[in-house]
Amino acid sequence: KAGVTQTPRYLIKTRGQQVTLSCSPISGHRSVSWYQQTPGQGLQFLFEYFSETQRNKGNFPGRFSGRQFSNSRSEMNVSTLELGDSALYLCASSLTAKQFFGPGTRLTVL
Amino acid sequence: EDKVVQSPLSLVVHEGDTVTLNCSYEVTNFRSLLWYKQEKKAPTFLFMLTSSGIEKKSGRLSSILDKKELFSILNITATQTGDSAIYLCAVEEFLYNNDMRFGAGTRLTVKP
Repeated sequence: KAGVTQTPRYLIKTRGQQVTLSCSPISGHRSVSWYQQTPGQGLQFLFEYFSETQRNKGNFPGRFSGRQFSNSRSEMNVSTLELGDSALYLCASSLTAKQFFGPGTRLTVL
Repeated sequence: EDKVVQSPLSLVVHEGDTVTLNCSYEVTNFRSLLWYKQEKKAPTFLFMLTSSGIEKKSGRLSSILDKKELFSILNITATQTGDSAIYLCAVEEFLYNNDMRFGAGTRLTVKP
């Protein structure tokens, strides 16, 4: 069974731009969660989608948004990028409580 | 292919027991190993280990890293029902862009 895949793996953007990250969950998993990982803040929860609906949301500004498609694939969008948005963005899919993490997308904002 | 393997995948113990969770890894450019506790959705950070042989301790939890044998253990003594969770191990690589690889997790259930 293929694992969670994320694209792109690496991304470099400049301040003010926007970015869209993609996550394909494990087949059959309907829940997709997004996390931001930074050296200083650790792993922080962004949001969770289940059956195309946002089910939970963390404490991030509205510049961070997401969506989920009918095939459970999910995208995360960050608008008006700031330097502090540079981080590893992880996606995790789950069928039950146990989450399976993807390799992450490393975003660098210059 | 680089990988992080946790064992056991699941564990059921009774309150007061001591448990040891294992994490072995094979990565090319090791930077650090992190342990997380996941009860609901967002994992909670427990420890970051970078040096071999130095035990990190927080209450009843402790962890140690062996960079020669490429593994880490997480110990929980005098377990409580509140310790029931999924424990995740993640390894960070030191590359141009640091990558983080997660293990599958160990599901710990502590029964009263």
